[in-house]
Amino acid sequence: DTEVTQTPKHLVMGMTNKKSLKCEQHMGHRAMYWYKQKAKKPPELMFVYSYEKLSINESVPSRFSPECPNSSLLNLHLHALQPEDSALYLCASSQILMGYNQPQHFGDGTRLSIL
Amino acid sequence: TQLLEQSPQFLSIQEGENLTVYCNSSSVFSSLQWYRQEPGEGPVLLVTVVTGGEVKKLKRLTFQFGDARKDSSLHITAAQPGDTGLYLCAGAGQAGTALIFGKGTTLSVSS
Repeated sequence: DTEVTQTPKHLVMGMTNKKSLKCEQHMGHRAMYWYKQKAKKPPELMFVYSYEKLSINESVPSRFSPECPNSSLLNLHLHALQPEDSALYLCASSQILMGYNQPQHFGDGTRLSIL
Repeated sequence: TQLLEQSPQFLSIQEGENLTVYCNSSSVFSSLQWYRQEPGEGPVLLVTVVTGGEVKKLKRLTFQFGDARKDSSLHITAAQPGDTGLYLCAGAGQAGTALIFGKGTTLSVSS
């Protein structure tokens, strides 16, 4: 069982819908990450939170809005997505030691389909 | 910009064969991690190598970090269908930056 829990596992939404992806970890990690992954491709970094503050935004469109309510939770709010946003969205967490290079623990992802 | 070149991109072999996956860069990394991702799951950390020339073994998997800390390899002996998955190398670069992932190697082992 993964120590990073993501919900929902699958999500189908229309381009005008608003939905949220959720991620939770209880390992005491103070860095949390959102990645987007297409089939047979590596994860692409979207956002990094450090001590509940956004520290890296990889020029992600504003239709993706991250939120870190506390040290255990990470959300990704979705609005007006495009079909090309269909992908597996992965959450990860890690310790912080001289940056964000520590081994990461990944959740199993949310499979998102945009109609 | 630090880049990690991973090869081969796809590998399809028979059970019992050996294989090697390579991860190369022109940049020095302070450490390098290998992950395996099975279908429907997130990546799982296999190993972290830190010291140049380091060799680590995990059952049938052998990981090596180059002396100059610019490259790494993953060797699998006697591959099994359970080894099927996406193998990712990830380098720890400059302070303040996130992990840099290679493009991945999709391995398929058939019985």
